[in-house]
Amino acid sequence: GENVEQHPSTLSVQEGDSAVIKCTYSDSASNYFPWYKQELGKGPQLIIDIRSNVGEKKDQRIAVTLNKTAKHFSLHITETQPEDSAVYFCAASSTGANNLFFGTGTRLTVIP
Amino acid sequence: DTEVTQTPKHLVMGMTNKKSLKCEQHMGHRAMYWYKQKAKKPPELMFVYSYEKLSINESVPSRFSPECPNSSLLNLHLHALQPEDSALYLCASSQRGTGTTTYNEQFFGPGTRLTVL
Repeated sequence: GENVEQHPSTLSVQEGDSAVIKCTYSDSASNYFPWYKQELGKGPQLIIDIRSNVGEKKDQRIAVTLNKTAKHFSLHITETQPEDSAVYFCAASSTGANNLFFGTGTRLTVIP
Repeated sequence: DTEVTQTPKHLVMGMTNKKSLKCEQHMGHRAMYWYKQKAKKPPELMFVYSYEKLSINESVPSRFSPECPNSSLLNLHLHALQPEDSALYLCASSQRGTGTTTYNEQFFGPGTRLTVL
């Protein structure tokens, strides 16, 4: 089955700096890669996703890149703000499947 | 309406109690999920309903019993739970059911924080 690894487990950045979280996956059949943000006491919120037919996707301060050959994908947050502080999970899935294989999570702290 | 709602927000129960968790979505999604999340861990899949039929049961103990009365509602019936079952229980939904040629874009509810005494 699919195995998703996520690094780092914790990340602290100064407000205004950039944050990068990296994930690798093992199954070449995976073609959908969502990122979730989970704030304390809340459910995971889908913030951005990327499909294997594109290499990069941007939404305001958030971008995701995908390298299919190397089987890794990354989340980039620019101009970080204190409200970006949360746990971020990457995940992988394949077309038609219902399973989302999650990474172990990254706790991001943005220091004002 | 792009929301998945869950009730109750918090639940405390004894090991002999019977309780139910409820989940609702009005996005017309045809797949619904139950996940269990322990502290500092990712969500773990428990059950998947596709077109109101149970399609995945990840070897969950029988003290957890899912039910899908219609395409908008999902219940999780709890009976004779153990203290180690204390966790955040998350419901999610996605547009299409299993076996379709679509991506698995899942939307999560806020969860029910369950404590078993």
